[in-house]
Amino acid sequence: QQPVQSPQAVILREGEDAVINCSSSKALYSVHWYRQKHGEAPVFLMILLKGGEQKGHEKISASFNEKKQQSSLYLTASQLSYSGTYFCGTDYGNTGKLIFGQGTTLQVKP
Amino acid sequence: GAVVSQHPSRVICKSGTSVKIECRSLDFQATTMFWYRQFPKKSLMLMATSNEGSKATYEQGVEKDKFLINHASLTLSTLTVTSAHPEDSSFYICSASQGAGEKLFFGSGTQLSVL
Repeated sequence: QQPVQSPQAVILREGEDAVINCSSSKALYSVHWYRQKHGEAPVFLMILLKGGEQKGHEKISASFNEKKQQSSLYLTASQLSYSGTYFCGTDYGNTGKLIFGQGTTLQVKP
Repeated sequence: GAVVSQHPSRVICKSGTSVKIECRSLDFQATTMFWYRQFPKKSLMLMATSNEGSKATYEQGVEKDKFLINHASLTLSTLTVTSAHPEDSSFYICSASQGAGEKLFFGSGTQLSVL
């Protein structure tokens, strides 16, 4: 039931864009996105609920395609502070319990 | 914003001893908390759902007698790793939300090293 993230790793230069995908084989109620820096706790980015909405948070936005059971996270004009590992967490029945993908490591270089 | 506090942040213990990790929601009541385990450069693996006033719900493959969870109040859940062995060494992290469908707030994690 673990969602599948792609790519596994991305290396960018400052100012470049990136897309991280999260796919589930099971119907989703919601998708959560978190970023984790080494040795720290994951930090919440956004939640997307069933209904196909798209959300934005400064230069980070995300979409949720309920039909395809997929979510994508868009990072535009990346900054050095965007470096870290991005996880999508899936909730299959509005239980609050999240199953996380394997993570995507993003490295932004100057 | 809501805060989840986790202690200790790091513990080193001898094989065979038990270790207790505390997770507190500081400014909200959490009827449900979640315990995750993370290996280096790996994903967060859900271990169990801690339910206030009732038994925890464990994920498949997680030994409930090994990882004892107690959720005695609306703000405190504890994870006790009993008779710890080197293979139990890992990063343990708790989380809580203010309700189903709400974002998870994570504790700062506990790095357990069993010698």
